[in-house]
Amino acid sequence: QQQVKQSPQSLIVQKGGISIINCAYENTAFDYFPWYQQFPGKGPALLIAIRPDVSEKKEGRFTISFNKSAKQFSLHIMDSQPGDSATYFCAASSGQGAQKLVFGQGTRLTINP
Amino acid sequence: GAVVSQHPSWVICKSGTSVKIECRSLDFQATTMFWYRQFPKQSLMLMATSNEGSKATYEQGVEKDKFLINHASLTLSTLTVTSAHPEDSSFYICSARVWGNAGSAYEQYFGPGTRLTVT
Repeated sequence: QQQVKQSPQSLIVQKGGISIINCAYENTAFDYFPWYQQFPGKGPALLIAIRPDVSEKKEGRFTISFNKSAKQFSLHIMDSQPGDSATYFCAASSGQGAQKLVFGQGTRLTINP
Repeated sequence: GAVVSQHPSWVICKSGTSVKIECRSLDFQATTMFWYRQFPKQSLMLMATSNEGSKATYEQGVEKDKFLINHASLTLSTLTVTSAHPEDSSFYICSARVWGNAGSAYEQYFGPGTRLTVT
C-alpha cells in the first residue's frame, strides 16, 4: 500500500515533443505529490509538486495532472528539449509532506535532437 | 533559496575504516533531514530520518550501529559509515525538509550526493 508505481521505465521523445510520465498510488492518506529531476551523479532537484485539492498545476513547460479518484498523477513536459534528458522520479507523502517520501522507480527520459 | 550541501562529494576509503559525510542546509533551518542511498540506475532508498536533538529513526533493515547519524544543529546532520566494507560503496544523498514558500506543504530539498568507494 506504500508503493508508488511509475511508468514507463524509459522514454525517448523527439525535440519539441511532449513527454508524459505516469504514476499510480494506493495509499489514500498521501496528500503531497512532488516530481524530482535527477542528472547523472547529482542529487534530485524538486521540479514541481501538487496537493490533491487541485487537478492540475503548471510551471513553465512542466505540468502535473492529478486524478484523485483514479489515484494517478502524471508529469507532462511540453516542448521537450535535449537539456530535459534526465531521470525523473515521482513521489508521494502524507501529512502535507511532513512524512517520508515514497518514490517511484524512476523514468529515464531521452530527448533526441 | 533551499540549498543543501554535502561534503565530501566523493571519498575513497579502505575496508575497515570509518567515513563521515556532512549534510548542511545553507539558507534555512531544518529540524528534519533524511538520508538516502542510491544504487546505479535505481530509485532512492530511505535509510533514516534525522531529527535535530533526538535519535534518528532508521528504516527496516538498516543497521543503526553501522550507519551512525547525528543531527546536532538545525543546519547540520552527519552520517558516519563505520567499519566500511566494499558492499557499502554507493551514492549517499541527504535531504532537508522545510515548509514550502507556497505555504501548502513541506518540501524536501536534496544535497548533491556523496560517492563512497570502499576498497
